[in-house]
Amino acid sequence: DAKTTQPTSMDCAEGRAANLPCNHSTISGNEYVYWYRQIHSQGPQYIIHGLKNNETNEMASLIITEDRKSSTLILPHATLRDTAVYYCIVRLSNFGNEKLTFGTGTRLTIIP
Amino acid sequence: DAGVTQSPTHLIKTRGQQVTLRCSPKSGHDTVSWYQQALGQGPQFIFQYYEEEERQRGNFPDRFSGHQFPNYSSELNVNALLLGDSALYLCASSHQQVGGTEAFFGQGTRLTVV
Repeated sequence: DAKTTQPTSMDCAEGRAANLPCNHSTISGNEYVYWYRQIHSQGPQYIIHGLKNNETNEMASLIITEDRKSSTLILPHATLRDTAVYYCIVRLSNFGNEKLTFGTGTRLTIIP
Repeated sequence: DAGVTQSPTHLIKTRGQQVTLRCSPKSGHDTVSWYQQALGQGPQFIFQYYEEEERQRGNFPDRFSGHQFPNYSSELNVNALLLGDSALYLCASSHQQVGGTEAFFGQGTRLTVV
């Protein structure tokens, strides 16, 4: 699985959009980009994933650059409950490979 | 739907002892993975079970073993506990399908080895 690079920490004002970047310059054509978050003392929570097209769900949007070497997770209207560690993960999604390789993630703090 | 449930939530063991952690996957899920998360670190993959067999394994010693039952629930066993085994142990379940699937995590078992 390709390696990802994320900033160690970020702050965002409550109500504003939180934009979390991730670099994955060695990503291969059949690897997906996944985002998970972990609120203190809880298990990681799935947010979104994508291959090459931008994706949106009720939690967030995922923007993947055309060359697929980087992506941005967007939380459109951040709330205090979005304070968490956010993990960007690149993973082969062939049948039988469910392993997630977590890095150290980005600690996002939402400021009131 | 109860989601992924793990038991116990907390556990204290003595060095050298053995421990068994349990996981019930989300309804409809057939694959269970186990992760170890040390304080301040991201979760590290231990192994994965599908159809009652270990299919993938991370860089963990043989002291870590597991089992999956016909109802898809799973156990993680750790023998000869070391102080360094103190961590949050997470179980994740998913359903096998081509093209990517999200894993659902339980709340974890906090193991303290003294």
